[in-house]
Amino acid sequence: SAVISQKPSRDICQRGTSLTIQCQVDSQVTMMFWYRQQPGQSLTLIATANQGSEATYESGFVIDKFPISRPNLTFSTLTVSNMSPEDSSIYLCSGEKVPGETQYFGPGTRLLVL
Amino acid sequence: GNSVTQMEGPVTLSEEAFLTINCTYTATGYPSLFWYVQYPGEGLQLLLKATKADDKGSNKGFEATYRKETTSFHLEKGSVQVSDSAVYFCALSLDTGGFKTIFGAGTRLFVKA
Repeated sequence: SAVISQKPSRDICQRGTSLTIQCQVDSQVTMMFWYRQQPGQSLTLIATANQGSEATYESGFVIDKFPISRPNLTFSTLTVSNMSPEDSSIYLCSGEKVPGETQYFGPGTRLLVL
Repeated sequence: GNSVTQMEGPVTLSEEAFLTINCTYTATGYPSLFWYVQYPGEGLQLLLKATKADDKGSNKGFEATYRKETTSFHLEKGSVQVSDSAVYFCALSLDTGGFKTIFGAGTRLFVKA
């Protein structure tokens, strides 16, 4: 298994600013993912964080808005850039030890943009 | 395309009632199937999984059987508790030149004492 922590757990930000969310895993994982979850809704995959190379973004998400880093097998960051109220959401990090198998999730970062 | 459809919630039950949450999927290939649970204020955690047809996943009194003929993976529990109140997500994972996990919309369960 894997235990995932995220920082910050929540934040309130002003529009036009940026926030970087950190995701730390207690053991090595092969794959890491970033999701967005609107209240009461399902998860939307933003991107797959690739170690040592550029992230793979899903349709509708771009690197300029959501830059992602993954310097090693246990850590990743997601930045939400130039925020607007529409970016208010819960952002979840997850990891897989074996591709296609169980995903381990962090507790989420609750973001409110004013 | 690949997708997961689960019954809309919320589902409200009394303690000790029988629970069924329906889940059907569409997939080009042979996916692995999962149920995840999300308790209030937390991330998702795996509840159970099944990797091939006729497999039964089980955990904490919950069960689901991988039915290829009906493309279903319904979640059941014989006697729910208040502590089971959460959101339940059905999901599939498939290798499409790289594994992707697709989540259903989630079903919120309320259990009353």
